[in-house]
Amino acid sequence: QSVLTQPPSASGTPGQRVTISCSGSSSNIGSNVVHWYQQLPGTAPKLLIYSNRPRPSGVPDRFSGSKSGTSASLAIGGLQSDDEADYYCAAWDDSLNGWVFGGGTKLTVL
Amino acid sequence: EVQLVESGGGLVQPGGSLRLSCAASGFTFSSYTMTWVRQAPGKGLEWVSAISGPGVNTYYAEAVKGRFTISRDNSKNTLYMQMNSLRDEDTAVYYCAKGNNWAFDSWGQGTLVTVSS
Repeated sequence: QSVLTQPPSASGTPGQRVTISCSGSSSNIGSNVVHWYQQLPGTAPKLLIYSNRPRPSGVPDRFSGSKSGTSASLAIGGLQSDDEADYYCAAWDDSLNGWVFGGGTKLTVL
Repeated sequence: EVQLVESGGGLVQPGGSLRLSCAASGFTFSSYTMTWVRQAPGKGLEWVSAISGPGVNTYYAEAVKGRFTISRDNSKNTLYMQMNSLRDEDTAVYYCAKGNNWAFDSWGQGTLVTVSS
């Protein structure tokens, strides 16, 4: 059972916009920044969004992050088949004194 | 270019020990927090442990506290994880990652640890 809650799956058609949610609590998302990671099949995770919104160099602007209260969201616009991957949110947790991850969301492009 | 290369994984019996290493290059190693994240087969990511740049501060997930010890040798640009009293549930791919602004901005390819009799 993950500390951060994500839907196990999401899907969309090419060109569509999809949103993945991440729900936490006051000790993690409510008081710290949220990061998002993309894990393509058979590969290591890659940082997609850091500190709620900014994208590392090389990440397309089709990916965007937001945070409100104890929840965060990752939006992917102009969906492409290459976006099929697992997506994870993460944040520091003040109570646990460590990082916590969401359970991951498997994105399928139909 | 940042490179992180893990090694040391393998098959170990329950109760056994293993030491993982992560060789870093392409950045000033001593300036960055480093972390270990694991992924059990078919499961999600789980943060395991982290260590500050100078090596003074260490952090552990509850699941490994008292059994795993993170350390680093900044003269060798290498991160370590000493894993003792291994359990079946420690079976996973272990990734080392570089910390930056509280995120993990570079990851290694991972090393597989299998705990089984």
